[in-house]
Amino acid sequence: GDSVTQMEGPVTLSEEAFLTINCTYTATGYPSLFWYVQYPGEGLQLLLKATKADDKGSNKGFEATYRKETTSFHLEKGSVQVSDSAVYFCALSEGGGADGLTFGKGTHLIIQP
Amino acid sequence: NAGVTQTPKFQVLKTGQSMTLQCAQDMNHNSMYWYRQDPGMGLRLIYYSASEGTTDKGEVPNGYNVSRLNKREFSLRLESAAPSQTSVYFCASSNGLAGLQETQYFGPGTRLLVL
Repeated sequence: GDSVTQMEGPVTLSEEAFLTINCTYTATGYPSLFWYVQYPGEGLQLLLKATKADDKGSNKGFEATYRKETTSFHLEKGSVQVSDSAVYFCALSEGGGADGLTFGKGTHLIIQP
Repeated sequence: NAGVTQTPKFQVLKTGQSMTLQCAQDMNHNSMYWYRQDPGMGLRLIYYSASEGTTDKGEVPNGYNVSRLNKREFSLRLESAAPSQTSVYFCASSNGLAGLQETQYFGPGTRLLVL
């Protein structure tokens, strides 16, 4: 079945540092890939997505490129802020729009001032 | 436009008690979902409803039932709660259009503690 593997945290960085959170996936078809973010005490919000190979999703300074050859969708940001502290989830969807998402276990990111 | 709403926000149950978690969305979405979130496990799909009148099992359906009451509302019922069902429950919705990988929108969650 489908699966998503992402680095587990916590990941602790200083403000303005470069961020990479690795995500790799296993899927039988051609999934869409997502990054969701969860701030403390809240539900998940879509951060960015990519629906086909070589697509780059971007939002709020975060970027991720759909790499079919390495089955990866790594999340990057050039300069993190304290407000980026949250849990980040990589996820995939293969079901044609109506099926549920398959999530990774989440990466807790802590940014120190 | 409230998006996805869930009630209650927090609930404590004793083993064997029953309860229903409510979820509603005002985005006219076709598909709705229930997930549970456990430490170190990410989110796992319990049940989903691709369209009004249909429901399907997800990865972890045992111990739960669902009802798609109408297009807006999708409830999750625990008939006899067990400590293993202590978790945070999230409802989500999407357009669910066939052939498109639609974004899912999540509610704020219900934190459930079963003693």
